[in-house]
Amino acid sequence: DQQVKQNSPSLSVQEGRISILNCDYTNSMFDYFLWYKKYPAEGPTFLISISSIKDKNEDGRFTVFLNKSAKHLSLHIVPSQPGDSAVYFCAARKRTGANNLFFGTGTRLTVIP
Amino acid sequence: DADVTQTPRNRITKTGKRIMLECSQTKGHDRMYWYRQDPGLGLQLIYYSFDVKDINKGEISDGYSVSRQAQAKFSLSLESAIPNQTALYFCATSDKQGALNEQFFGPGTRLTVL
Repeated sequence: DQQVKQNSPSLSVQEGRISILNCDYTNSMFDYFLWYKKYPAEGPTFLISISSIKDKNEDGRFTVFLNKSAKHLSLHIVPSQPGDSAVYFCAARKRTGANNLFFGTGTRLTVIP
Repeated sequence: DADVTQTPRNRITKTGKRIMLECSQTKGHDRMYWYRQDPGLGLQLIYYSFDVKDINKGEISDGYSVSRQAQAKFSLSLESAIPNQTALYFCATSDKQGALNEQFFGPGTRLTVL
């Protein structure tokens, strides 16, 4: 049962434009949401996160939006750069229990120069 | 030098063989995790350890065992490997003091079971 879903396996965007990556979740017990970025032959690296008590968090070119009522979050990258080309994973943490992360299936972003 | 290292990086083995994947970290973190990644399924948690004496099963622990030899070392064993354990395996660490449970990942081990 996939509790965190990324329904778009891939996305292509022109350099300089906005990239929007989407993520949906089903478990209302999640209290933190994180985005990870993964390059080939490397492990995922933390990018940005948001607490469930907020609806927006911004860090430079990256902004994460959270819509709790829709159980949906999105990552916006503006402007997109070729170096942003990678697989992006959405992850969520439960409020109780093991404190471990539940990952989505990933979206491969390609930024076209 | 990498903070989280995994050995081997690639391994091909045969069905029924015992295999161990090793993870070491220099971040001084208490918490360590093992995940596997299959195409189309994202990362799934196999085992996690909050300190040397605390080891817990994750979502998909069947067929695996772990050992936390020291704060810095966490190994994953497949006692009798089977083909559907072919996957990319990641080790991760986190600091219990960290508010966001940000996890730091190793580069991964690609395991193929024939």
